[in-house]
Amino acid sequence: EAGVAQSPRYKIIEKRQSVAFWCNPISGHATLYWYQQILGQGPKLLIQFQNNGVVDDSQLPKDRFSAERLKGVDSTLKIQPAKLEDSAVYLCASSLGAAYSYEQYFGPGTRLTVT
Amino acid sequence: AQSVTQPDIHITVSEGASLELRCNYSYGATPYLFWYVQSPGQGLQLLLKYFSGDTLVQGIKGFEAEFKRSQSSFNLRKPSVHWSDAAEYFCAVGGGGSQGNLIFGKGTKLSVKP
Repeated sequence: EAGVAQSPRYKIIEKRQSVAFWCNPISGHATLYWYQQILGQGPKLLIQFQNNGVVDDSQLPKDRFSAERLKGVDSTLKIQPAKLEDSAVYLCASSLGAAYSYEQYFGPGTRLTVT
Repeated sequence: AQSVTQPDIHITVSEGASLELRCNYSYGATPYLFWYVQSPGQGLQLLLKYFSGDTLVQGIKGFEAEFKRSQSSFNLRKPSVHWSDAAEYFCAVGGGGSQGNLIFGKGTKLSVKP
């Protein structure tokens, strides 16, 4: 069974530029999560999707971050414009569904450096 | 608000020695508790989880953890560490907010001496 796929693995941009990350969850997983992991800290949930609907985006900085999950499968996370403090690893995770929300499978992450 | 504290930022143990990583949580109800491991450049892998029942839970790779409600702790243990266990370990608590919202600690980096 293929795991959670993410691309790109690494990205370097200048502040005020925009960037997008892509995630393909495990086949059949209805729930998808985006986490931000700043160096030296644990992951922090940014947004949770159930199929193509948003369940929780309370910690998403909506003035610059956006995410979508069209057709309830792949998802993209966008930052526009980026700030220095956005430098982090962005992790995507998926789970079967609401009853299994805590059984999350993580992708390898995208390491973003904002200069 | 829920929170997780991992008091040790970095621990070094000798190969073959025993290991205990500490985790304390703050949560009003019975928590769901997890330990994840993250190797360099990799995503997080679930080692074990506690939902209810037996307070001593077994996980993958020979790890176990014990839930102690009186101490609000969920410490991770392994009787004999292997060099391949060198990684970063995260404790997490689930519950509150949206279903599936995990609150992670800051992690403990484990180094293994030959």
